[in-house]
Amino acid sequence: EAQVTQNPRYLITVTGKKLTVTCSQNMNHEYMSWYRQDPGLGLRQIYYSMNVEVTDKGDVPEGYKVSRKEKRNFPLILESPSPNQTSLYFCASAADRGFYEQYFGPGTRLTVT
Amino acid sequence: EDKVVQSPLSLVVHEGDTVTLNCSYEVTNFRSLLWYKQEKKAPTFLFMLTSSGIEKKSGRLSSILDKKELFSILNITATQTGDSAVYLCAGGGSGNTPLVFGKGTRLSVIA
Repeated sequence: EAQVTQNPRYLITVTGKKLTVTCSQNMNHEYMSWYRQDPGLGLRQIYYSMNVEVTDKGDVPEGYKVSRKEKRNFPLILESPSPNQTSLYFCASAADRGFYEQYFGPGTRLTVT
Repeated sequence: EDKVVQSPLSLVVHEGDTVTLNCSYEVTNFRSLLWYKQEKKAPTFLFMLTSSGIEKKSGRLSSILDKKELFSILNITATQTGDSAVYLCAGGGSGNTPLVFGKGTRLSVIA
């Protein structure tokens, strides 16, 4: 089954404690992306990757890091989480960035206290 | 700065009504306009539009793009309670521009 998986689905952590949210897709997609979704602000792109070892900033990259060492995986790293990073995070993948539909993972609800 | 604006922000209708959701966009090097449905989970893909004036249909849902006026509409006929969701519109460009989402239209269909 074609899918995007994220782990963990829910995470409560404390300020400053490094965390990683994993994302994996099994569709051999070149393009992967991370979004955060907040009430009233909609979906905002954090980082995206056009292919292995190619990543670029989206609209709200501050406080986040990503890596793309393999085509299928695109982890999101918060080196020092802060309460303003409490949000719902989605990973997505697509065959192409703008021309094809993106498939979304199930989401990770992160709370930073 | 690229932007996508959706209207209305929320809408309440009765079952059986027809609704039209609007999406206007300003996207550098525009390539595609995408519609998603989001219930209490991840967005699910509905349509992708790249050519002006061509309607895409799937059951009771249809969408059309006007590249001259820079907008798209999503129509839902004979609405059902299962259509209740947030509908998201996104604009995709070429080059290094991120996919830009609108804030969504929250549709509530009441019996």
